[in-house]
Amino acid sequence: DIQMTQSPSSLSASVGDRVTITCRASQTISTYLNWYQQKPGTAPKVLIYAASSLQTGVPSKFSGSGSGTDFTLTISSLQPEDFATYYCQQSYSTPWTFGQGTKVEIK
Amino acid sequence: EVQLVESGGDLIQPGGSLRLSCAASGFTVSSNFMTWVRQAPGKGLEWVSIIYTGGSTNYADSVKGRFTVSRDNSKNTLYLQMNRLRAEDTAVYYCATIQGSRYYMDVWGKGTTVTVSS
Repeated sequence: DIQMTQSPSSLSASVGDRVTITCRASQTISTYLNWYQQKPGTAPKVLIYAASSLQTGVPSKFSGSGSGTDFTLTISSLQPEDFATYYCQQSYSTPWTFGQGTKVEIK
Repeated sequence: EVQLVESGGDLIQPGGSLRLSCAASGFTVSSNFMTWVRQAPGKGLEWVSIIYTGGSTNYADSVKGRFTVSRDNSKNTLYLQMNRLRAEDTAVYYCATIQGSRYYMDVWGKGTTVTVSS
């Protein structure tokens, strides 16, 4: 199985900060990498698919990059509504796997 | 509007069985790859299963041989039959559509809660 490792597991940031979350796959997954945002008590929501494609309706402050084994999710200017948990997920091969999540909290 | 509504979650004893449903509207279940994802209390997301448009299926190792994903085209509904339930199956179960050539989970339901406990 492909293991997905996110870092950091949590971070504290201020409104307006630039935030970067990284995700590493245990083997190459090309660009079969998606990013999701989840707020407490709600279902996840896709932000970025295929490593760098912005889902329709998602603000352009979110961006993704990477290929192979190393990927990043960047939030250019953190806003109050962005405080949430973020997950990467590989869809290169089943069983599909998620990273352990990165909780973004208010500093 | 594309919508998914899960149901069937319950409190069930270890070793028991449960069937979850995921009713779809605004699109055709059989024309899409569909997936189940679960989240144990306070934990991260775990992929559970997928059903492809052709009807073939795949499962996480943790549920293989115990869970079965299926669909009823006439009811436009996805199912997850869960047998020999264990305490570690306790979770919120989400169904979702899969889109794109890189297979991302697009539309999600609100989830249904399964609690396995004596």
